[in-house]
Amino acid sequence: EDQVTQSPEALRLQEGESSSLNCSYTVSGLRGLFWYRQDPGKGPEFLFTLYSAGEEKEKERLKATLTKKESFLHITAPKPEDSATYLCACTGKLIFGQGTTLQVKP
Amino acid sequence: NAGVTQTPKFQVLKTGQSMTLQCAQDMNHNSMYWYRQDPGMGLRLIYYSASEGTTDKGEVPNGYNVSRLNKREFSLRLESAAPSQTSVYFCASSKPGGTMNTEAFFGQGTRLTVV
Repeated sequence: EDQVTQSPEALRLQEGESSSLNCSYTVSGLRGLFWYRQDPGKGPEFLFTLYSAGEEKEKERLKATLTKKESFLHITAPKPEDSATYLCACTGKLIFGQGTTLQVKP
Repeated sequence: NAGVTQTPKFQVLKTGQSMTLQCAQDMNHNSMYWYRQDPGMGLRLIYYSASEGTTDKGEVPNGYNVSRLNKREFSLRLESAAPSQTSVYFCASSKPGGTMNTEAFFGQGTRLTVV
């Protein structure tokens, strides 16, 4: 059974304190791994797509990486506006992990 | 740019009532999805449609039915609503590119309360 697991469930950082979010997956035939950001009361907003192990994508303070079993979302020197829930998803059915809620304090 | 449009945005139902959630996309996407989101549970796939004329069950299909009316529209029906179906429902669409999926775009959600 395809499965996507994210950790930690919640993360509190001070502004400028870098960290990483983890997304591990067990799927048959990866067709892309996706990272999304979701703000309260809104639908998920697309951030990155990764297709093969070793691939990396960057956007402002965010960098996503992919291995054969997991993906990391690295947040460098975060700001309060980076506070949100970060979701990863993969497979043809677009199965999501449960998300990591990030809070960045000034 | 409309993208993915869901109606209604809010709904309150009594236990046992039925209703249909509507979703339409204007991006010429082949695949469409229905999710529910509950606190601490992330997004759970209810049903998806890989292309017009096809539908398949996701992780939590019980109590729901879907119709892929045409390429643009994908509706979700609750035949007999239960309090356990209180949730936020999201519709999404994507345009698969061969063996690789492209990113999905989401609607703004429907907040459903069953009392």
